[in-house]
Amino acid sequence: DAMVIQNPRYQVTQFGKPVTLSCSQTLNHNVMYWYQQKSSQAPKLLFHYYDKDFNNEADTPDNFQSRRPNTSFCFLDIRSPGLGDAAMYLCATSRDRWLEQDSYEQYFGPGTRLTVT
Amino acid sequence: AQSVTQLGSHVSVSEGALVLLRCNYSSSVPPYLFWYVQYPNQGLQLLLKYTTGATLVKGINGFEAEFKKSETSFHLTKPSAHMSDAAEYFCAVSQSDSNYQLIWGAGTKLIIKP
Repeated sequence: DAMVIQNPRYQVTQFGKPVTLSCSQTLNHNVMYWYQQKSSQAPKLLFHYYDKDFNNEADTPDNFQSRRPNTSFCFLDIRSPGLGDAAMYLCATSRDRWLEQDSYEQYFGPGTRLTVT
Repeated sequence: AQSVTQLGSHVSVSEGALVLLRCNYSSSVPPYLFWYVQYPNQGLQLLLKYTTGATLVKGINGFEAEFKKSETSFHLTKPSAHMSDAAEYFCAVSQSDSNYQLIWGAGTKLIIKP
């Protein structure tokens, strides 16, 4: 089945130690998103890619970076994790809405829960 | 600015009872509307969506929602709750001229009492 895959599902890192979360998709979607979700809150968009065009949200801290080496893969790098970065990180994809009508929904992976010790 | 309001951070219903989760939005242009469900430690799954056409939309797991433009609402309903419906539900809005962003409601946690 076509899907969005996130690895690992659970990640523990130490305060200040860089960590990378990965996302892959078999849906062949142009657009990929990274969200941060804290307990009992709505997802918060960090950035998204339209193909290789990177779009950063204005309030995303510089500590968060992303790479998209090809259509299928996208990475979230947290350069110096703080205790406040402990959260669920969600990757999502969507089709190119300018090419396909009614293609606005986003498809989510299972998430990576990050713990910072 | 666009916004989405979900009334009630927690809703509790008995198994077999009607489920009603409320969502109101503000939008200056015709919106596209979504309901997502999230089970503990999982990603979000699309329940249903409204883009154009019929205002009553049916989704997975027996849920449906009705787009009411005059009330700027998109409430989610299910006639008979099951224990497996216990989860967090998010309403989201996208505009036809937006840059791919979804505007999210704060979420409603649905609790099913046996």
